[in-house]
Amino acid sequence: GIQVEQSPPDLILQEGANSTLRCNFSDSVNNLQWFHQNPWGQLINLFYIPSGTKQNGRLSATTVATERYSLLYISSSQTTDSGVYFCAVLFSGNTPLVFGKGTRLSVIA
Amino acid sequence: DADVTQTPRNRITKTGKRIMLECSQTKGHDRMYWYRQDPGLGLRLIYYSFDVKDINKGEISDGYSVSRQAQAKFSLSLESAIPNQTALYFCATRRTGDTGELFFGEGSRLTVL
Repeated sequence: GIQVEQSPPDLILQEGANSTLRCNFSDSVNNLQWFHQNPWGQLINLFYIPSGTKQNGRLSATTVATERYSLLYISSSQTTDSGVYFCAVLFSGNTPLVFGKGTRLSVIA
Repeated sequence: DADVTQTPRNRITKTGKRIMLECSQTKGHDRMYWYRQDPGLGLRLIYYSFDVKDINKGEISDGYSVSRQAQAKFSLSLESAIPNQTALYFCATRRTGDTGELFFGEGSRLTVL
């Protein structure tokens, strides 16, 4: 069946370290997004990236659609990067996005 | 002002009460969604609507109902709330088609005692 798998499930980093979060998906996609849920529960759009590479400050993302994965890079992590990162994928226009279970990131000072 | 607005943001109620969570959006999107998130877990889809006349059940629709009053408004009701419906609820919107981002409201935290 349709699956979206994120790894690792949990990650603890020292402030200033870099990290890579991965999202694997089971079929070709029309739409892929990365979200950050902050410790207050808000879901923030990070990237809309069905293919290619995008960068926004210390964050960047790459999706290789032909190989069915996307990567989110966080460089020089800060404590404000803590929270849960979700990947969500649209496999077909008439179905809802499918969410991964998230990667919980804790950045410690 | 937020593009996707949920009310109330926080609500404490008792078992058996009827509760309505409301969502309104100014993005002009056709598609609207209600998700539930339990502590430490991911997002689960309750209901979604592709337009005013199109309502669909998600993976956990039992115990919930929805109403799409207008393109911009989508409400979620708990007819008789129970404690295991205590959760964080999110409304989201997206435009029609294969592309286009999903945008979330700020969430409604519901506690059922």
